[in-house]
Order: sequence, then structure tokens, then C-alpha cells
Amino acid sequence: DAGVIQSPRHEVTEMGQEVTLRCKPISGHDYLFWYRQTMMRGLELLIYFNNNVPIDDSGMPEDRFSAKMPNASFSNLKIQPSEPRDSAVYFCASSLVGGSFNEQFFGPGTRLTVL
Amino acid sequence: AQTVTQSQPEMSVQEAETVTLSCTYDTSESDYYLFWYKQPPSRQMILVIRQEAYKQQNATENRFSVNFQKAAKSFSLKISDSQLGDAAMYFCAYRRRWNDMRFGAGTRLTVKP
Repeated sequence: DAGVIQSPRHEVTEMGQEVTLRCKPISGHDYLFWYRQTMMRGLELLIYFNNNVPIDDSGMPEDRFSAKMPNASFSNLKIQPSEPRDSAVYFCASSLVGGSFNEQFFGPGTRLTVL
Repeated sequence: AQTVTQSQPEMSVQEAETVTLSCTYDTSESDYYLFWYKQPPSRQMILVIRQEAYKQQNATENRFSVNFQKAAKSFSLKISDSQLGDAAMYFCAYRRRWNDMRFGAGTRLTVKP
């Protein structure tokens, strides 16, 4: 398996622009998580899905952030409009209920820079 | 709410020596999982070792082992025979059965040759 795939790996955009981050979970996994990592706040859970349904989005910082999972093999995280304080590394992770230790497998992350 | 505390922002170890990274957590649950993840400069989050709370036996993975003290809510990571490639950020994490994972702030480990 190719593991969790995220694209793009790096994104540089200007304030006010829409940003879309993409994630392909491991095939067969039924949970998908979006995290944000910053120096100040560490790793924060933004939202997670179970069987494509959002379960907990309490970590989404503002209405500017939205996430969807239209099918089991794809999710996206959108920021519109983007702001410099959104600059961070965004990770996607997936796991399988009943799998070994409910381990989460992480993608390589997307480094977002908002100028 | 579950919280995870890593009290050591930075640690340093001499190559081939042993180092222990500390982690404590707060929970009222009895069934949960604990993890240590490694994040090298590449940013990739790599699972190092994991522990089920109901298991008393400490997990071991080659040079990595944990000291799990459930009553004390402590989950420390011991790295034996440290190697240069062990240098990274290490994150302790807690997860309830089907719920999300909570991470500590991380410990930056430096390995001196």
C-alpha cells in the first residue's frame, strides 16, 4: 500500500486566496483525521470522519475552514479566505476500527505558507 | 478532557547511550491506547511504539521500550544504544478506543556523536 497520500506537499499563497489541501487515505480505512501543526500550538486535531461522515469538527478554528469527504478514498480541507496565521503543516491520517491498536497512519503533510 | 504532558522540551544523549523521554496523561477512562511517534526533519510522523492500557506488560520494539505506569498515568520512552538517526521530535499520544488522538507538545531529542 502506498500509505496516506497528501497533495500538494508545499503550498505558498497570498492572503485572501482559497487553499485546498487533499488527502487520499489508506484503502479500507474507515477513519480519516485532519491535523494542523504549528510551533505555538503543536499538533491539533481539526476534524475527523468515520465512514465519510464528519464526527467531530470542534477543532476547526473558524468558518473559513471546511472539510469534506465525498467518498472513502478522498478528503479535502479548504481555507477560504486564507490568512497568514493559517501558515502551518497540515497532516492527514487514517485508521481502521478494529485494526491493530487503532493506529493512525499519517501522510507526509502539506506545508502551507500564506503571505 | 484528556491531556498529554511532555515536560521535557529538549533532551540530549550521547551516541550509544540510553535516554528516557517522559510523558504523563490525564484521563478518567480505563480503556485506551498510548503511542510514541517520531518526527524527523522530513516531517513524516512515524510510529515508534504503542501500548494498550489493559496490558500490564511494557511494550518493546528493538531498542525502544516503554515504562507504562497506569496508576500514575505515566508513559515514558526509553531509547537504548542511541543512534544518530534517532535525532528527531518525539510525541507522546493518547487515544480512546474509537476517538481521536491527543498529542503532547513534543520533546526534541539531539544525539551527540
